[in-house]
Amino acid sequence: QSVLTQPPSVSGAPGQRVTISCTGSSSNIGTINDVHWYQQFPGTAPKLLIYANNNRPSGVPDRFSGSKSGTSASLAITGLQAEDEADYYCQSYDSSLSGWVFGGGTKLTVL
Amino acid sequence: EVQLVESGGGLVEPGGSLRLSCAASGFTFSRYWMHWVRQAPGKGLVWVSRINDHGSSTSYADSVKGRFTISRDNVKNTVYMQMNSLRAEDRAVYFCVREESSGYLGSEYFDLWGRGTLVTVSS
Repeated sequence: QSVLTQPPSVSGAPGQRVTISCTGSSSNIGTINDVHWYQQFPGTAPKLLIYANNNRPSGVPDRFSGSKSGTSASLAITGLQAEDEADYYCQSYDSSLSGWVFGGGTKLTVL
Repeated sequence: EVQLVESGGGLVEPGGSLRLSCAASGFTFSRYWMHWVRQAPGKGLVWVSRINDHGSSTSYADSVKGRFTISRDNVKNTVYMQMNSLRAEDRAVYFCVREESSGYLGSEYFDLWGRGTLVTVSS
């Protein structure tokens, strides 16, 4: 079991908006600790998608956005495209574990 | 080109040892804290270990503490993971990862990933 909880899968049609949730606790997301998001295609390394809750690295389309509230965070993808079909992971730091933690990952299917 | 390239993975018997290497290039390696993250086949990402920029401070996930040792050579721009007493559950792709942060504990994220090296533990 992962410390951060994500839905195993989400889906949406092209052009739609989807959100992926990431639920933690008072020792990770519920503190000042930031939440970050990664995108991973099969057989490749993860790629940083969102950092520090709601910031996009250079080159990431503004269709991707992040938010954090309380002990949860969300990744939103608007104007869904076929190329967005991938696995998405949230990540934070856990102050009780003194280590970095990931969500279990969410597989996005574009219908 | 800014990149991390892992090597050293392979097949090892339970109880055996393996040493992973990660060669960094294209950036000032000695300024960055580095991590290892692993991913078992078909599973999610799991943080394994971290080393600071000078190599003087390390931390480990409980699952590998006492068995794995992270180290670095800032002259060779390489980070290592010595893996001892390997178990079947250590089977995974091991990614070398560069850390970035906003300057305070709890802000760390992973902005550069290697392609990974596969470790298989089986008799």
